[in-house]
Amino acid sequence: QSVLTQPPSASGTPGQRVTISCSGSSSNIGSKTVNWYQQLPGTAPKLLIYSNNQRPSGVPDRFSGSKSGTSASLAISGLQSDDEAEYYCGAWDDSLNGPLFGGGTKLTVL
Amino acid sequence: QLQVQESGPRLVRPSETLSLTCTVTGASIRRSTNYWGWIRQSPGKGLEWIGSIYYLGSTYYNPSLKSRVTISVETSKNQFSLRLSSVSAADTAVYYCASAPGYSGYDWWDSWGQGTLVTVSS
Repeated sequence: QSVLTQPPSASGTPGQRVTISCSGSSSNIGSKTVNWYQQLPGTAPKLLIYSNNQRPSGVPDRFSGSKSGTSASLAISGLQSDDEAEYYCGAWDDSLNGPLFGGGTKLTVL
Repeated sequence: QLQVQESGPRLVRPSETLSLTCTVTGASIRRSTNYWGWIRQSPGKGLEWIGSIYYLGSTYYNPSLKSRVTISVETSKNQFSLRLSSVSAADTAVYYCASAPGYSGYDWWDSWGQGTLVTVSS
């Protein structure tokens, strides 16, 4: 089945701002809200952003999300070594009648 | 605080049925308006939604797995379960149980189990 398209990797240095993109179609991102998950090595995914730009309690405001058309972005400012993880986007898909996820982006903090 | 935890066999033979249980603590499935569901992650790959169940019993399945999947709730034990029949090596994955707020319409998942690796092999 199709997945949302993410770059396989991204990198940045401590303190830098990095963005991760997520591309979809009219049946998902184009008409629905986008969510983001952080998966630290060896752990379960953790909800980072929901409904495009909402942060669950406890998520630092260094993390922000945005959406435009059929694409979305996750921005991380003030990059920290602890941010090194895999990041997944997700969005409801009308064809699936359920959540569709991206392939993941591995963020490396140099 | 709501928590979920998977349990079940880690090794399943090809063509047999994979069965996993998710135990919910910190909330009552019977009285919660949450969605409960299963998501898997194949080795080195992304996330795949398997299916969801609403506290009232309605089920929703990924069309690619629908013919093989059953998700059910055992309210007396505060658990929900996954059964995936006729498994093959392609079903080898880390299986997560998770919970979504009712108002999310199982779009986004805010509580995840630690995951359990299920290997399909003879």
